[in-house]
Amino acid sequence: DFQMTQSPSSMSASVGDRVTITCRASQNISTYLNWYQQKPGKAPKVLIHAASSLQSGIPSRFSGSASETEFTLTISSLQPEDFATYYCQQTYSTSWTFGQGTKVEIK
Amino acid sequence: EVQLVESGGGLVQPGKSLRLSCAASGFTFSSYAMCWVRQAPGKGLEWVSGISGSGRSTYYADSVKGRFTISRDNSKNTLYLQMNSLRVEETAVYYCAKALLSTGGGFYFDYWGQGTMVTVSS
Repeated sequence: DFQMTQSPSSMSASVGDRVTITCRASQNISTYLNWYQQKPGKAPKVLIHAASSLQSGIPSRFSGSASETEFTLTISSLQPEDFATYYCQQTYSTSWTFGQGTKVEIK
Repeated sequence: EVQLVESGGGLVQPGKSLRLSCAASGFTFSSYAMCWVRQAPGKGLEWVSGISGSGRSTYYADSVKGRFTISRDNSKNTLYLQMNSLRVEETAVYYCAKALLSTGGGFYFDYWGQGTMVTVSS
């Protein structure tokens, strides 16, 4: 099984802060790693695919990077609309698992 | 405009069955893999099942293997999830999602439906 471990599970941050969320894979998944944002009562929305490719229409303050089995989502300057829950997802195996999520709350 | 509209959710007793549907429009349905993802109340996302564009290949999470069946009717642009022997812990919002192959490798979900609620309770 391919396990995805996200950290932190929650965090408090202020508008303008630089935010970093990490996702660690239990095995090699190449760069088959996606990041989604979900707001309460809404379906998730893709931000980053293939570890570092910014989805069309997503602001450039969002970025992704990879180092072996560790993946990072960075928000360079947190905006009010960015308070949400973020999930990583691997699509390397035939079972496309998600991380447990990181809730970003207002400090 | 791409649209995915789920239906078929509702209240069902433990051990019973339910079939979900996802009506797709705005894209060439048969050209894309599709998936089901669920989210229990207050919990995270769980990938449930996926199916290739042709329908020939199907994939399941271990938690539903042998009980759930994913299928599609490309003539009707509709995705299905047949859920048998439902458990209380499978109470969740069920989303269908369209899968797109990234130029960087791997698939990702570029469009999601609004979800349909399934409640398993006696």
